[in-house]
Amino acid sequence: KAGVTQTPRYLIKTRGQQVTLSCSPISGHRSVSWYQQTPGQGLQFLFEYFSETQRNKGNFPGRFSGRQFSNSRSEMNVSTLELGDSALYLCASSPGLAGGPGRGEQFFGPGTRLTVL
Amino acid sequence: GESVGLHLPTLSVQEGDNSIINCAYSNSASDYFIWYKQESGKGPQFIIDIRSNMDKRQGQRVTVLLNKTVKHLSLQIAATQPGDSAVYFCAETQNSGYSTLTFGKGTMLLVSP
Repeated sequence: KAGVTQTPRYLIKTRGQQVTLSCSPISGHRSVSWYQQTPGQGLQFLFEYFSETQRNKGNFPGRFSGRQFSNSRSEMNVSTLELGDSALYLCASSPGLAGGPGRGEQFFGPGTRLTVL
Repeated sequence: GESVGLHLPTLSVQEGDNSIINCAYSNSASDYFIWYKQESGKGPQFIIDIRSNMDKRQGQRVTVLLNKTVKHLSLQIAATQPGDSAVYFCAETQNSGYSTLTFGKGTMLLVSP
């Protein structure tokens, strides 16, 4: 089975611009979660999508948004970029079923390294 | 808010030693815990998990211990190898419902040959 793929792998933007990142989950997985990883804050949860619906949301401003398509692929968007948005953005997929064995196990992609200048 | 944290930011060991990485969690409602390994340039990789109805679980060269009384997790790596050098994260969640993972800050493990 192919793993989680994320595109692009690297991105450089300037303040005020917007960016869209893409994630393709493992085939058959219906849940996609997004995380921001920085040296100072570690891994922080952004949001989770399941069957095209946002199921959970972390504590990030409204500039961060996402969506999921019918094929479970997901995109996240950051508008009006700030220097502090520079980070590794990780996508993780899981079957997404509540209470099942290994329900919490998420499979991560390699991430998109975003640099805001 | 409640969060998961780690005691040691960096752990340096010699090849062949046993390594112990610790983690404290504060959400008493968490009932499912996972350890992830992240190598440079890669996303986190699942190592081992444990449910709150267990206090120990063993994998290949790894053991996770859970002490619910003091809300403490540890990851033991036997016969540590240079390839084990990475950042290790503990994460917590609730297995019921649709809760998400809360990650600790991470511990860097450095293995010297």
